[in-house]
Amino acid sequence: GIQVEQSPPDLILQEGANSTLRCNFSDSVNNLQWFHQNPWGQLINLFYIPSGTKQNGRLSATTVATERYSLLYISSSQTTDSGVYFCAVGGGTGTASKLTFGTGTRLQVTL
Amino acid sequence: NAGVMQNPRHLVRRRGQEARLRCSPMKGHSHVYWYRQLPEEGLKFMVYLQKENIIDESGMPKERFSAEFPKEGPSILRIQQVVRGDSAAYFCASSSLGTDKYFGPGTRLTVT
Repeated sequence: GIQVEQSPPDLILQEGANSTLRCNFSDSVNNLQWFHQNPWGQLINLFYIPSGTKQNGRLSATTVATERYSLLYISSSQTTDSGVYFCAVGGGTGTASKLTFGTGTRLQVTL
Repeated sequence: NAGVMQNPRHLVRRRGQEARLRCSPMKGHSHVYWYRQLPEEGLKFMVYLQKENIIDESGMPKERFSAEFPKEGPSILRIQQVVRGDSAAYFCASSSLGTDKYFGPGTRLTVT
């Protein structure tokens, strides 16, 4: 099956700093999503981005499908950005196939 | 438009009992997925269902676990004769064909 690796595994930032999270995957995909799992365990959809670039407020993401990686940018980080960021990819036949998750990047934003 | 709903949010079972977890997909979504998250780990795929059909159960343990998505009503994940190792958060996701997947709030199962 598809392997998904995320880096760094842990990240500590001061409020206001910027960061880049990386997701590498081992095969071609037709679905890629970024999620934020907040400290209460809730999974929040950030981006559906199998290719290209998207922006939503302080967050943006880029997927280069031909090179099998995606990047999540967080600018001007806030304490509410703390939690675990997961990249999840789907391959196989059709976009309805299952997602395979990476092990996540645990982000802590301090004052 | 209500999101994916799961109940119960917390479930405590003694070893050997049965656990039933329910998932109602978002309105208009006909694809349901179940995932399990052990403490401090990522989410692992268990099963993918459409109405009355299991499409992919490659992540389901061979024994004690079953899932269904009937024509009417929620999807059910059933764990028989629970053991301590079944303690985890179980998440349900739903989607329409060709769109992104949305996750419910999860059910935290504790086996004592």
